[in-house]
Amino acid sequence: KAGVTQTPRYLIKTRGQQVTLSCSPISGHRSVSWYQQTPGQGLQFLFEYFSETQRNKGNFPGRFSGRQFSNSRSEMNVSTLELGDSALYLCASSPGGSTSTDTQYFGPGTRLTVL
Amino acid sequence: AQKITQTQPGMFVQEKEAVTLDCTYDTSDPSYGLFWYKQPSSGEMIFLIYQGSYDQQNATEGRYSLNFQKARKSANLVISASQLGDSAMYFCAMRPIVLGGSYIPTFGRGTSLIVHP
Repeated sequence: KAGVTQTPRYLIKTRGQQVTLSCSPISGHRSVSWYQQTPGQGLQFLFEYFSETQRNKGNFPGRFSGRQFSNSRSEMNVSTLELGDSALYLCASSPGGSTSTDTQYFGPGTRLTVL
Repeated sequence: AQKITQTQPGMFVQEKEAVTLDCTYDTSDPSYGLFWYKQPSSGEMIFLIYQGSYDQQNATEGRYSLNFQKARKSANLVISASQLGDSAMYFCAMRPIVLGGSYIPTFGRGTSLIVHP
């Protein structure tokens, strides 16, 4: 089975721009979660989508948004980029389901640099 | 609120020796799951092992075992027979177990493990 894929792998943007990151989950997985990883804050949960609906949300401003398509692929959008948004953005997929015991499998990440 | 504490920012171990990476947690949720992930320099987080708070036995996966002490709220990862390829960052994580799937996962700050030949 193919793993989680994320595109692009590297991205450079300037302040004020917006960016869209893409994540394709493992085949059959219906849950996709997004994380931001920075040296200062560590790994922080952004949000989770399940069956095209946002099921959980972390404590991030509204500039961070996402969506999930019917094939479970997900996109994350960050508008009005700030220098502090420079980070590794990780996507994780899991089968989903009625409880939160699913094991999440992570993609290789998108390294975003904001200049 | 949940909290994960990994007190060892860096650990060194000789190849073929065992190493224990510490993880303590704090939560008011009655049921929860504990996870360990490995993150090599390439950046991808690799799932290693899972322990449910209701599990009576400690989890094991090959060379990885989880030393779960519920009363002490600790979930230490034990790697037996370390290999050079084990050099990486290791993260402990926790999620409450909630029907309906609503949860916010929490990660520790990580421990950097270096395996010497």
